[in-house]
Amino acid sequence: QQQVKQSPQSLIVQKGGISIINCAYENTAFDYFPWYQQFPGKGPALLIAIRPDVSEKKEGRFTISFNKSAKQFSLHIMDSQPGDSATYFCAADFQKLVFGTGTRLLVSP
Amino acid sequence: NAGVTQTPKFQVLKTGQSMTLQCAQDMNHNSMYWYRQDPGMGLRLIYYSASEGTTDKGEVPNGYNVSRLNKREFSLRLESAAPSQTSVYFCASSSGTAYGYTFGSGTRLTVV
Repeated sequence: QQQVKQSPQSLIVQKGGISIINCAYENTAFDYFPWYQQFPGKGPALLIAIRPDVSEKKEGRFTISFNKSAKQFSLHIMDSQPGDSATYFCAADFQKLVFGTGTRLLVSP
Repeated sequence: NAGVTQTPKFQVLKTGQSMTLQCAQDMNHNSMYWYRQDPGMGLRLIYYSASEGTTDKGEVPNGYNVSRLNKREFSLRLESAAPSQTSVYFCASSSGTAYGYTFGSGTRLTVV
């Protein structure tokens, strides 16, 4: 039973383009929604996070959009760069983190 | 600053062998976690410890045991390894609910 559903599984974006990754959840008790970035051979690292009382959060080129009524949230990466090529995980927290299945992003030069 | 340190980084076991994965954090975090990462399945929680002296099962606890040795250390033990336990294991720590987790660099375990 996947509590957090993530799509797409993989994504190819040209340099300078916008990368969009979507997640949906079921449990309305979740109260914290982070995104993690993982490079090959490394552990996931916290990228940006949002709480359900906010509809959008922006940090540099990274933005989380949150739709509480639809139980969906998404990560937008503006002006995508080759260095952004990594696997991205959405997650939701209620006492412990539950992760989506991940999106492998490739930004072509 | 080390953050979360996991040992070993790589391990090959034969079916039926036992081993302990070690994890230590130097951030004075109360909570610690063990996840496994498999292709296409994201990270799944094996066990966690909300505070020193407590441990609880996560989503996939079968075949594993844990020990919260002190506030810094949280170990994961495989008593009788099986090929289905081939995975990358990550330890993480946090200040508590609704705070970011800090992950270690992982242990890549192969059971043959």
